[in-house]
Parts: sequence; structure tokens; C-alpha cells
Amino acid sequence: DSGVTQTPKHLITATGQRVTLRCSPRSGDLSVYWYQQSLDQGLQFLIQYYNGEERAKGNILERFSAQQFPDLHSELNLSSLELGDSALYFCASSVLDRVNYGYTFGSGTRLTVV
Amino acid sequence: GQNIDQPTEMTATEGAIVQINCTYQTSGFNGLFWYQQHAGEAPTFLSYNVLDGLEEKGRFSSFLSRSKGYSYLLLKELQMKDSASYLCAVRVSGGYQKVTFGTGTKLQVIP
Repeated sequence: DSGVTQTPKHLITATGQRVTLRCSPRSGDLSVYWYQQSLDQGLQFLIQYYNGEERAKGNILERFSAQQFPDLHSELNLSSLELGDSALYFCASSVLDRVNYGYTFGSGTRLTVV
Repeated sequence: GQNIDQPTEMTATEGAIVQINCTYQTSGFNGLFWYQQHAGEAPTFLSYNVLDGLEEKGRFSSFLSRSKGYSYLLLKELQMKDSASYLCAVRVSGGYQKVTFGTGTKLQVIP
């Protein structure tokens, strides 16, 4: 157990639907990062939050949004889902907004859009 | 942006040594990470290099040459459990620092 908790582990939903993925960072970590990993693709950075504030944005679609709450857990909202959104979604956390010693990743949420 | 290149796949024999290369092109380089990822699982941190040279950690070592935009991960005394994808990731400075991952090298260890 890495200390980063993601729920749910698996999600199957239909095109056009909306889902929410949840992440609880490791105790003491203030930064949360969201990554998408499609089949045979590298980890694509989506967005980063630090202590409740958005810090950096990557290749995140307008249909996707995220937030970090006062208790530091984060949620990634995916709407108007398309088949191509099927992927593993990872959350990672670190103590600071700078990563000197690597992220700690959660076990991921596997999203299947049918 | 950043461009990170790694071989797609490699095969090596149990007990042998394997070197996985990574080349990158980026501005504002501020560190390079290696992660291990077993199929369907979360990546786990292996090493971090920010200065030139070799960092050794047990059976794993990582090397960096900033002038050449080159790194390698060296795995010694290969074990079957080392079969996994190895991800090279580059951090860039400027504003809020971001880490960009390569597509990974899938290593298969055979008996």
C-alpha cells in the first residue's frame, strides 16, 4: 500500500456519461497530480493541485475538470465520455509542489467507456 | 515541450545485466527520474538524477549526462520479477515544475 488511495478501482460506463474519480493523497502530502495512461501510451500529465490550488495544467480536455478539497483529497471529473477516454487514471502525491524524490502513485482507476 | 525517447521493448536473460537508455530534448532541464511499472499496476519510483554521473542503489544504477541529453538505467543480476516497463521521466523548471514521462521500455526477463 503506497498510502495514496484511489477509488473506484474499476469503472465501466457508457458514452456521454459523467464520472468522478477520487484520490486521497499520502498523509502529509500537499500536492496531488492526475495522469492518464492509455493502452501502450505513456503517462500523460493532466493537472496538479497544491494545498487546494491549481498549480499546473497539462493535456487536460475541456470535458475534464478537477479540484482539491480542504482535506486535501482530490476529484477528477470526466464528462461527455467518449470511447477514447478509456484508460488508466493515476493519482500521485508529493510533499511539496516540487518533486525532488519522485511521486507516490495510487493504484489507479481503470475506466472503460462502452 | 519535451521529447523523450526510449526503446519500446527489450529482452534479457535471468542473472544477466541490462541497460535501458533514455534520450531527451528539453529546455529548462531540472532532473530525470526512472520508474518501474508492472502491467496494470502503479509506477514505483526507482531513481532520481539531477547532476551528471552514476547513482547506485543495490541492483539498480542510473546514469545521467546533461550535455548529451542522455540517461540509462542499469539492472544487474536480473530476476524474473524485474519483467516490467521502465519509465524515464524528465522534470523541467520554470514556473511550477512539471514531470513528463516517456512511453516506457517493456523489459522481458527470460530464464
